[in-house]
Amino acid sequence: SQQGEEDPQALSIQEGENATMNCSYKTSINNLQWYRQNSGRGLVHLILIRSNEREKHSGRLRVTLDTSKKSSSLLITASRAADTASYFCATDARAGGTSYGKLTFGQGTILTVHP
Amino acid sequence: KAGVTQTPRYLIKTRGQQVTLSCSPISGHRSVSWYQQTPGQGLQFLFEYFSETQRNKGNFPGRFSGRQFSNSRSEMNVSTLELGDSALYLCASSLGRGTNTEAFFGQGTRLTVV
Repeated sequence: SQQGEEDPQALSIQEGENATMNCSYKTSINNLQWYRQNSGRGLVHLILIRSNEREKHSGRLRVTLDTSKKSSSLLITASRAADTASYFCATDARAGGTSYGKLTFGQGTILTVHP
Repeated sequence: KAGVTQTPRYLIKTRGQQVTLSCSPISGHRSVSWYQQTPGQGLQFLFEYFSETQRNKGNFPGRFSGRQFSNSRSEMNVSTLELGDSALYLCASSLGRGTNTEAFFGQGTRLTVV
């Protein structure tokens, strides 16, 4: 079963606009990771945010984490056509448990950026 | 340094056959996890190996098995293939120690069962 729910399921924007994707999860986590996937290929790691962090930046990416609401958001600023992909959040729910190596993924957001 | 390498990239098999997929992790990484991705179920965890030991297993039937070698390379095997096993199989590599280590994925093996 999927831990996370991602919202929206699909997002269509123009180049230069910002894209925001949201992720909710159910259990306590050690960290949350965001990934990008192009057309059924492998997952590209974007960013990891620890449970004691609230915000993290990497280039045009900004990730926030609210553990009280069990939610995270990914903001892509000044989007480009090359950002067109599916975006997934994945939680490492090892806190207090032994979920070695197991990431639990959301269903993903399909982002389309029109040139 | 080289990323995670999965072979083969594509496979077509017939129902009832078995298949073996391979994953070479990033150098220095000792943990390899396997995932199945389908349009209906999304990304689901199969199992994880660290230092040749299976530490965690998802909810898949016993037809799905794996192993890890001393050089951290891992294989997964699916026996008695069913049509529903058609999927993208992804492996992830990580250091495997500590609570906040990033997992890096390979390009996947696309398995089609006919």
